[in-house]
Amino acid sequence: DQQVKQNSPSLSVQEGRISILNCDYTNSMFDYFLWYKKYPAEGPTFLISISSIKDKNEDGRFTVFLNKSAKHLSLHIVPSQPGDSAVYFCAATPPLYNNAGNMLTFGGGTRLMVKP
Amino acid sequence: DTGVSQNPRHKITKRGQNVTFRCDPISEHNRLYWYRQTLGQGPEFLTYFQNEAQLEKSRLLSDRFSAERPKGSFSTLEIQRTEQGDSAMYLCASSSRGSGAAEQFFGPGTRLTVL
Repeated sequence: DQQVKQNSPSLSVQEGRISILNCDYTNSMFDYFLWYKKYPAEGPTFLISISSIKDKNEDGRFTVFLNKSAKHLSLHIVPSQPGDSAVYFCAATPPLYNNAGNMLTFGGGTRLMVKP
Repeated sequence: DTGVSQNPRHKITKRGQNVTFRCDPISEHNRLYWYRQTLGQGPEFLTYFQNEAQLEKSRLLSDRFSAERPKGSFSTLEIQRTEQGDSAMYLCASSSRGSGAAEQFFGPGTRLTVL
């Protein structure tokens, strides 16, 4: 079963406008959420993250919102730029205990295309 | 370059052959992860090392797969008797302990094609 879902496989946005990428999860144990960006022939690049104790985290043009009751998070990119065109993955992990590592569970990705 | 590196970047092999991939993590990172990504899907966790100890393995990691991290630095992932279903991108990631430990930094991946 897919514990992390990105229901929109693609999104097309005009340059300068807002891009909103959505992600839903089912596992209540998830405590920390991350967004990664992936260009072709490259590995995923960490973008921004949010802990379950927050409902918003902002870093420049990127803002992640978390709605724990709805088990939903979203990534807002504003203003969108052509260089933002990539595949975006959301990922989730349970709490880190005793300095243990964490297995990331990824969604299927959303391909964002920003048109000039 | 201080990022995660992986070699080779591409590997084409015939079914039934063995293949080995290498990952060099960011030098101060003590945690190392292997993921597999197939077309149109997100990465799926395979296994995880803390220093040289392999602490977790996914059920995706069949007995044909073995991973090692002998000195707690680089890691190798070996697939024996490859099958066409093993064709995928194999990604390595590393992370550090302490704050920010949840953020994993990925290498460029090794694309495996089994003919």
